[in-house]
Amino acid sequence: GAGVSQTPSNKVTEKGKYVELRCDPISGHTALYWYRQSLGQGLEFLIYFQGNSAPDKSGLPSDRFSAERTGGSVSTLTIQRTQQEDSAVYLCASSPGQGDQFFGPGTRLTVL
Amino acid sequence: DAKTTQPNSMESNEEEPVHLPCNHSTISGTDYIHWYRQLPSQGPEYVIHGLTSNVNNRMASLAIAEDRKSSTLILHRATLRDAAVYYCILRDAGTGANNLFFGTGTRLTVIP
Repeated sequence: GAGVSQTPSNKVTEKGKYVELRCDPISGHTALYWYRQSLGQGLEFLIYFQGNSAPDKSGLPSDRFSAERTGGSVSTLTIQRTQQEDSAVYLCASSPGQGDQFFGPGTRLTVL
Repeated sequence: DAKTTQPNSMESNEEEPVHLPCNHSTISGTDYIHWYRQLPSQGPEYVIHGLTSNVNNRMASLAIAEDRKSSTLILHRATLRDAAVYYCILRDAGTGANNLFFGTGTRLTVIP
């Protein structure tokens, strides 16, 4: 079946702009996660959604970052007033409850 | 959160077994040991996980020390496609912790 998909695959933007990243999880997976990975680094947790519960936003680095998940399925991660240090690969994963996570291919964000 | 320690890099010859070590001396009784790997330019993928007993699946084997303070991921016959960064992660099933803490992992190079 279809895996986790993310769009766009690449995004280049200028400093100060707004960006929106999209994640389509595996159908039926109740949990959805966002991570980011800077060049040569491990993954950094950003935010977690589980069903209708309040999201765990403990990993968001600043108030410029936000995410929502509509209808318990698609999620969008938004970054306002982008900075060069926001450049990274943003990875989305989904899981059936608290099971193992299935990752998408990521969105490579470059802030000039 | 209990953390893991892995060597930064390892090399293996093609067709030979590979033993990837992981230390987790502060592991708690409810922590599961998970392994993920990340192929170049892709998101991480699940490899294997276990609690106390050794585990085998089609991808690899997981050997867990009796005191659970260390574990070893075993690839029985390395292929060029196994070249990736391998992450050893603890997940606390007791608290239902949501995110996975990815350290920098072990970069495996497979030599033809």
